[in-house]
Amino acid sequence: GAVVSQHPSWVICKSGTSVKIECRSLDFQATTMFWYRQFPKQSLMLMATSNEGSKATYEQGVEKDKFLINHASLTLSTLTVTSAHPEDSSFYICSASRIGRGPDTQYFGPGTRLTVL
Amino acid sequence: GESVGLHLPTLSVQEGDNSIINCAYSNSASDYFIWYKQESGKGPQFIIDIRSNMDKRQGQRVTVLLNKTVKHLSLQIAATQPGDSAVYFCAETSSNTGNQFYFGTGTSLTVIP
Repeated sequence: GAVVSQHPSWVICKSGTSVKIECRSLDFQATTMFWYRQFPKQSLMLMATSNEGSKATYEQGVEKDKFLINHASLTLSTLTVTSAHPEDSSFYICSASRIGRGPDTQYFGPGTRLTVL
Repeated sequence: GESVGLHLPTLSVQEGDNSIINCAYSNSASDYFIWYKQESGKGPQFIIDIRSNMDKRQGQRVTVLLNKTVKHLSLQIAATQPGDSAVYFCAETSSNTGNQFYFGTGTSLTVIP
């Protein structure tokens, strides 16, 4: 149990286009979902916290108008990278906290690799 | 493009030896700590966790030690196997700040057969 999926797993796009990444909790309901980005050989950096039905909370330095987060249901959160540029190329990872478990528990998705040409 | 930043520390051990991976955390209010393993191109995988009211916790072949005085965490892997080769991250969180996880720099472990 506690499986989190992401789609797509890899996306290549042209500069200036927008890309949507989905994060789904497959077999549980998630109170909160988190979005991270990871550059090669670096650590995960928290971008934002997403609660179902409310606006996301962004970490300092993360542009909310560039990284749009929608948490429409207890099993789905989406991250849209708007007007993507090559510097947005990164590995994007989501995680989900499970309802009924301690809020500390996060289950991670497999990540989405974004390459912007 | 890739941001310029710190590269991961590396650790190489012989198969069968014990490995010790260290992590320094920054927030004295953090009360929950987790070790994750990440293989190339994959998401983090939970290994073991520890709460701040403990200083040691053991799992299968792994032990986590917590020293709150110096804000230091370590992961010990017994009888390291080639399948343990990966990047290991510690994460800290505080129950009074929304349970966001903040990850450490990470250590790349290579097990030599």
